[in-house]
Amino acid sequence: QSALTQPRSVSGSPGQSVTISCTGTSSDVGAYNFVSWYQQYPAKAPKPMIYDVNKRPSGVPNRFSGSKSGNTASLTISGLQADDEADYYCCSYGGTYTVFGGGTKLTVL
Amino acid sequence: QVQLVQSGAEVVEPGASVKVSCKTSGYTFTTYQVYWVRQAPGQGLEWMGWIDPNSGGTTYAQKFQGRVTMTRDTSITTAYLQMSSLRSDDTAVYYCARNKDGLGYWGQGTLVTVSS
Repeated sequence: QSALTQPRSVSGSPGQSVTISCTGTSSDVGAYNFVSWYQQYPAKAPKPMIYDVNKRPSGVPNRFSGSKSGNTASLTISGLQADDEADYYCCSYGGTYTVFGGGTKLTVL
Repeated sequence: QVQLVQSGAEVVEPGASVKVSCKTSGYTFTTYQVYWVRQAPGQGLEWMGWIDPNSGGTTYAQKFQGRVTMTRDTSITTAYLQMSSLRSDDTAVYYCARNKDGLGYWGQGTLVTVSS
């Protein structure tokens, strides 16, 4: 049950696109289509942005999209905006466990 | 509207226990699992376990087995997290979350500080 692997940081300019990767194993990311992504601002509770690999909760802009290939999931944010600057966490179901990634800090330059 | 409201901050001594509550409203409590997730200062999110409010069945992360107990009271639609033998590295914000469409709704978090 090791944490999923995410890059510590990514950055992009307003209007650009960025992609955050999330690598797990054949027991979690690779086995189930239950990957979700969360946005977190400092001292705030996480907010769901993507669930079931590529579904967006109501109210989440379609600039946010998710995908998966093998044991790696990805979150893509297009048309970057200043308020996208936050920490992002992936999460995967693994049958008898759930596991988060270590988190990625997105900086909007 | 769906809400999860957690109990207030706690300061506990090393070796003691703490019990955090998560009062839910706006949906049928017994329909969805309640997850518990913690976040140490400056660190990432860590899954602790879940409870099925319908059956009371639980699944705990290996790391916390033997120290954590998750329970619920369906009459007041509230889930509880109890943790024992607390250490300084258990200082964290503890969140509950409803498991539907990912962890679609979260509580506001409860800061538990372990200090003498």
